[in-house]
Amino acid sequence: SQKIEQNSEALNIQEGKTATLTCNYTNYSPAYLQWYRQDPGRGPVFLLLIRENEKEKRKERLKVTFDTTLKQSLFHITASQPADSATYLCALGDYSNYQLIWGAGTKLIIKP
Amino acid sequence: GAGVSQSPRYKVAKRGQDVALRCDPISGHVSLFWYQQALGQGPEFLTYFQNEAQLDKSGLPSDRFFAERPEGSVSTLKIQRTQQEDSAVYLCASSSQAGNTEAFFGQGTRLTVV
Repeated sequence: SQKIEQNSEALNIQEGKTATLTCNYTNYSPAYLQWYRQDPGRGPVFLLLIRENEKEKRKERLKVTFDTTLKQSLFHITASQPADSATYLCALGDYSNYQLIWGAGTKLIIKP
Repeated sequence: GAGVSQSPRYKVAKRGQDVALRCDPISGHVSLFWYQQALGQGPEFLTYFQNEAQLDKSGLPSDRFFAERPEGSVSTLKIQRTQQEDSAVYLCASSSQAGNTEAFFGQGTRLTVV
């Protein structure tokens, strides 16, 4: 069955540095991958979508890469700020159905 | 409305009780998803509506779970004869297009079965 792995341990980053989060997957060939941010007690908030034919996508301080050979996506936040502290979830999907398969998320803590 | 609204925000049910969870999606949004999220885990897909049609209900864990969206807007997730393992946060999401594009989530309903 499909499996998605995100760092289960919290990631502590100094303010101003670049935070890099990893999403690895197995037994699956997704057509696209999405990244969401989730704060405690809130629903996820959509950040970026990247398709299998796209290597990289950027949005303001965010950058996502998608390597279908390595079966991995990297999510970067440059010039990180304490307000970036949250849990970040990756979700994979294809066009054969309407289901997204989600990772468990990585908790990111940006220290001032 | 400005965003996806879910009610109630919190629900405590006694084991065996029926519950109904409501989702008001963003007006005009075609797609509506229900997810179940356990503590420390990512959301798990339950069901998908495109307008009033339930196109995928393969994620519903048992026949005690039932969802509807009769007029293509508000949706209700009903759980009959609740069990302790049903305790979780139930999330609703909507999007303006068919399928999985940018989805807007509600805050969720935290269900605790005692």
